[in-house]
Amino acid sequence: DVKVTQSSRYLVKRTGEKVFLECVQDMDHENMFWYRQDPGLGLRLIYFSYDVKMKEKGDIPEGYSVSREKKERFSLILESASTNQTSMYLCASSLLPSSGRLSGELFFGEGSRLTVL
Amino acid sequence: SQQGEEDPQALSIQEGENATMNCSYKTSINNLQWYRQNSGRGLVHLILIRSNEREKHSGRLRVTLDTSKKSSSLLITASRAADTASYFCASRVSAQKLVFGQGTRLTINP
Repeated sequence: DVKVTQSSRYLVKRTGEKVFLECVQDMDHENMFWYRQDPGLGLRLIYFSYDVKMKEKGDIPEGYSVSREKKERFSLILESASTNQTSMYLCASSLLPSSGRLSGELFFGEGSRLTVL
Repeated sequence: SQQGEEDPQALSIQEGENATMNCSYKTSINNLQWYRQNSGRGLVHLILIRSNEREKHSGRLRVTLDTSKKSSSLLITASRAADTASYFCASRVSAQKLVFGQGTRLTINP
């Protein structure tokens, strides 16, 4: 079974702190994603990566950066946390869709609930 | 926004009844996927239907897709208390982009 592991289930940080959210997957997936989930807004894509050292902005990248130094690990960084970044953060991975078959179901981690005070 | 919309936002039924959730999307898609999320947990993939398919079954799940109306529905038959969760549709609009709806919160009453 695919396993996507997020390092912290719950974090409490102060405004202005630098925050690292780590995600590791064990199935050699090319694609990795970071979403945030807020009530009434569903899941919104922050960043994704389709290869080591490659990253693409999603719908709401402002205030975030990412790092993918190894294929299995994708980190989300909040350079200076703010209260409006209090949210549930979800990491996911998927295979790169093969030519002519754009399927790509996502495998999610358990989520990291971040509270910024 | 490219977000899909789900209807209803919340649904409460008795155990044993069928539950139907609907999803609409805005752009052309390659496939549409349904996910389930238990409270406070990550999402789990349930079923995928391709744009050239109209109906798909998996156990107690039945998904339909109407590309002319840009809509899909998820039917859960003979519901169980363990089906209590939030359900999300996700439309694949490109090789890298999956657009999620806002979800339907389903409660099954024993």
